[in-house]
Amino acid sequence: TQLLEQSPQFLSIQEGENLTVYCNSSSVFSSLQWYRQEPGEGPVLLVTVVTGGEVKKLKRLTFQFGDARKDSSLHITAAQTGDTGLYLCAGDSTGTASKLTFGTGTRLQVTL
Amino acid sequence: ETGVTQTPRHLVMGMTNKKSLKCEQHLGHNAMYWYKQSAKKPLELMFVYNFKEQTENNSVPSRFSPECPNSSHLFLHLHTLQPEDSALYLCASSQGNSGSSYNEQFFGPGTRLTVL
Repeated sequence: TQLLEQSPQFLSIQEGENLTVYCNSSSVFSSLQWYRQEPGEGPVLLVTVVTGGEVKKLKRLTFQFGDARKDSSLHITAAQTGDTGLYLCAGDSTGTASKLTFGTGTRLQVTL
Repeated sequence: ETGVTQTPRHLVMGMTNKKSLKCEQHLGHNAMYWYKQSAKKPLELMFVYNFKEQTENNSVPSRFSPECPNSSHLFLHLHTLQPEDSALYLCASSQGNSGSSYNEQFFGPGTRLTVL
């Protein structure tokens, strides 16, 4: 059974602070996705990383895929209250329309 | 708006009731999924349909019965549920076995189910 462990589980910070969320596994993934879920809504895809060592930026969010394609990180610079939500990583081991393995989730609260 | 709609958004049912959840995707995707999201648990995959054929049943109890009449619609029929089945039920769709997809999934807003 593939597992994706995310850390930290919970994070409460003030606006303007930086943070990093980690997603770790002992399994290799062909691609890895990050989603954000706000209360009362479904997860929304933020980014997909495919190549080992790949770095992608989405405004203040920086995503990195580990060299061995087993782990990933999400770094947020100067967090804003709008970044509040549940962040989920998801690994795809087959590259086909099969199942994603979702991480345990990181709940982020950004306050003024 | 992700292009995936779910109805109802909220549902309260007794253990003897029969109800159905509906999902519709307007993205032209070929794969559809049901997930269960409970507090303190990772998102759990329940069923996968690819080109209307069920390709995954993740050991889901038979009181949950999926139906996929076409690539755009997915149902989850519920009967004799237990209180521990209370959760957010999410539907998602993806391109499917197109060969070029990274299995990126688009989720609906979910149905919040409470079983009394």
